[in-house]
Amino acid sequence: AIRVTQSPSSLSASVGDRVTITCRASQDIRNELGWYQQKPGRAPKLLIYAASGLQSGVPSRFSGSGSGTRFTLTISSLQPEDFATYYCLQDNSYPYTFGQGTKVEIK
Amino acid sequence: QLQLQESGPGLVRTSETLSVTCSVFGGSISGNGFYWNWIRQSPGRGLEWIGNIYYSGTTNYNPSLRSRVTISVDTSRNQFSLRLTSPTAADTAVYFCAREELGIFKWGRGTLVTVSS
Repeated sequence: AIRVTQSPSSLSASVGDRVTITCRASQDIRNELGWYQQKPGRAPKLLIYAASGLQSGVPSRFSGSGSGTRFTLTISSLQPEDFATYYCLQDNSYPYTFGQGTKVEIK
Repeated sequence: QLQLQESGPGLVRTSETLSVTCSVFGGSISGNGFYWNWIRQSPGRGLEWIGNIYYSGTTNYNPSLRSRVTISVDTSRNQFSLRLTSPTAADTAVYFCAREELGIFKWGRGTLVTVSS
């Protein structure tokens, strides 16, 4: 199975900060990675698909980049509603695998 | 607008089989290009992909669960289901169903299943 290592596991940031989260895959997955936001008691919500595609309805402050084995999610200016846990998911090959999550907390 | 709704027993005994069903609204489960997935989440294991099925019945399973898992589809009811045999406390989780198309996942809200002896 492809291992996906996500970092950091948590971070503290202030409203307006630029935030970057990274996922590394144990082998080349092309651009087949998505980013999800999850709030407590809710299902994960798709933000970015195919490494850099912005899902319809998601604010443009969210962006994704990368290919191969290294991927990043960037929030250009953190908003109060962005405090949540973020996950990456590789859908290149079965079994699909998730990163361990990054909890974004208020500083 | 597509909606997915999981339904399950809430509590399952270790002597029973864990069964969860996903009902699909606002779209056909027989649509081309869609894979119907089961994913679970627990504090100890994080998010774990269980497997998926195409409307034709083709399945893919996580090797870590393959020996205990069956995913099936009922196109007449626009539903798909998960069965997990010999559950243990480690299978206690929120079970999500999700539709996937080219890496775009649309999730249901999830249902908590607790396994207890």
